[in-house]
Amino acid sequence: ETGVTQSPTHLIKTRGQQVTLRCSSQSGHNTVSWYQQALGQGPQFIFQYYREEENGRGNFPPRFSGLQFPNYSSELNVNALELDDSALYLCASSSGAGTMRAGANVLTFGAGSRLTVL
Amino acid sequence: AQRVTQPEKLLSVFKGAPVELKCNYSYSGSPELFWYVQYSRQRLQLLLRHISRESIKGFTADLNKGETSFHLKKPFAQEEDSAMYYCALFGSGYNKLIFGAGTRLAVHP
Repeated sequence: ETGVTQSPTHLIKTRGQQVTLRCSSQSGHNTVSWYQQALGQGPQFIFQYYREEENGRGNFPPRFSGLQFPNYSSELNVNALELDDSALYLCASSSGAGTMRAGANVLTFGAGSRLTVL
Repeated sequence: AQRVTQPEKLLSVFKGAPVELKCNYSYSGSPELFWYVQYSRQRLQLLLRHISRESIKGFTADLNKGETSFHLKKPFAQEEDSAMYYCALFGSGYNKLIFGAGTRLAVHP
């Protein structure tokens, strides 16, 4: 059984650029969530994908977008990068099947992609 | 609004001392609560969740709906418990975990 893998592990961009981060979910998991963790803060929910559709979104602007593929892997895209986008981006998978069923929402996290925007 | 508050950024104790990491939440319904832990150079991982009512690595947490708290406790801290601890809330009707800012536990020899 493989865990959640994310790529790249580190990257540096400049303001205004675009970035794509990738995530492979844990075997057997069908739901992927993305979180942003700024320095000294807890992870903040960006959005969740289930069956290749967005299934919940946090308080992030539309320039944050995502995709989920048939194999349940996912991408996070951020356009028009701003300095405040510098953070650790965490991907987490689960087998909650996009429901609110109690106990179904145990997340398995990847190691993260650290983005620095200059 | 749904919110998780961890009032202490750092908790420093000596080995063998009791530990209590505080977590308070704001939620109007029946919450599902978790504690996640991040050891040095490792990824965030689940420690325990309230519905399981289990003890993991000697840690326990009891949901107190009256006080809206979910404090994490361990009677005798070990050096290997040193890590960052995050309390998180999953509210029904929302497809997301809401995390607190985290508490760093430092256990000294």
